[in-house]
Amino acid sequence: QQQVKQSPQSLIVQKGGIPIINCAYENTAFDYFPWYQQFPGKGPALLIAIRPDVSEKKEGRFTISFNKSAKQFSLHIMDSQPGDSATYFCAARGAGGAQKLVFGQGTRLTINP
Amino acid sequence: GAGVSQTPSNKVTEKGKYVELRCDPISGHTALYWYRQSLGQGPEFLIYFQGTGAADDSGLPNDRFFAVRPEGSVSTLKIQRTERGDSAVYLCASSQGLAGGRNEQFFGPGTRLTVL
Repeated sequence: QQQVKQSPQSLIVQKGGIPIINCAYENTAFDYFPWYQQFPGKGPALLIAIRPDVSEKKEGRFTISFNKSAKQFSLHIMDSQPGDSATYFCAARGAGGAQKLVFGQGTRLTINP
Repeated sequence: GAGVSQTPSNKVTEKGKYVELRCDPISGHTALYWYRQSLGQGPEFLIYFQGTGAADDSGLPNDRFFAVRPEGSVSTLKIQRTERGDSAVYLCASSQGLAGGRNEQFFGPGTRLTVL
């Protein structure tokens, strides 16, 4: 019930391509779905987040697509750059604001020049 | 303004020893979280404080783990009788702790704990 499943585990894309990372959840009490980017030796940093009342959200080159009925959401990175190479985590949080995040297992993304 | 800071950045200890890990949250943030990240995995929740009190400690793996936040700011995660399986990066995060809104969690760089 508390799990968030993320795929793929690793992904290699050429510069300019559109990597897509997928996540699925079971707990319908989740109401906030952020994506985090983590570089080696650093803590995760929030990229973009969505609530289940919208199906898509864009911020710059990053887009979240959300399918509430399927309990799935995905991250798309447009015009990917080598600097986007990092580990990406999806997460989910329950209602009430200050709640714990449940993270996916992570996707190691490599953007080749 | 400064972000979340954690000290030490690295800690090497021997099996059975006691360790303390410190977290300084962003000034004014009332909510503080501890997570543990094993190699190649996502962060796993340990405990969260709202002010001085532990609002949710359901993620603490056993009674060797304990955390405090006596003045509602700095927090210390304490691990007794360390085991090799405790080796991981311990992440701290803080947020405004509001009842609604995004309540974005800002993470520190983590403390890498190695138990020999």
